[in-house]
Amino acid sequence: DAKTTQPNSMESNEEEPVHLPCNHSTISGTDYIHWYRQLPSQGPEYVIHGLTSNVNNRMASLAIAEDRKSSTLILHRATLRDAAVYYCILTYNFNKFYFGSGTKLNVKP
Amino acid sequence: GAVVSQHPSWVICKSGTSVKIECRSLDFQATTMFWYRQFPKQSLMLMATSNEGSKATYEQGVEKDKFLINHASLTLSTLTVTSAHPEDSSFYICSAQTGGGQDEKLFFGSGTQLSVL
Repeated sequence: DAKTTQPNSMESNEEEPVHLPCNHSTISGTDYIHWYRQLPSQGPEYVIHGLTSNVNNRMASLAIAEDRKSSTLILHRATLRDAAVYYCILTYNFNKFYFGSGTKLNVKP
Repeated sequence: GAVVSQHPSWVICKSGTSVKIECRSLDFQATTMFWYRQFPKQSLMLMATSNEGSKATYEQGVEKDKFLINHASLTLSTLTVTSAHPEDSSFYICSAQTGGGQDEKLFFGSGTQLSVL
């Protein structure tokens, strides 16, 4: 299974943009890049996903490198409610979702 | 978005007893559901893939006789932890797959905290 590498933790100030990086150098041509986030004691929540082109939705933007070996989740204006663990996941033929260690985002008021 | 209901939210049981956890997709049909477990300060670990009307597929190292999975309908999957022991204490989370192709997503339940005394 293609693996992902993320920083263990990041910190941001409230109302500022946040760029969460993810490296996936062994990604295959059919792997989609998914991002989920998890608040304490809750199940993960879908954030965004994409294949090759950059994607935008109401929660975030996803910037995918041209060679697809890395991607960046962008939160345009971080709020305290965005403090969570963010997981970058590659889907293998849409069959399974394996979670890596994720990035714990701390948002300072 | 789609809603996945998981019940119970928490359960405490005695060692040697069995515990059943239910996972329901409330507003969509889920051919495939996944079960994860999560220890404190760790990531989610995939335990098994549950397919409606067929046997579950377990990940390597997960005991299928200990963690019984039943997916009898398109909206319900259950996980039974049999003869639970303290080392089975964990946060169990289910998820249901929806969409298809480029729209494939997972929606997660709120999790079940199992404590085995």
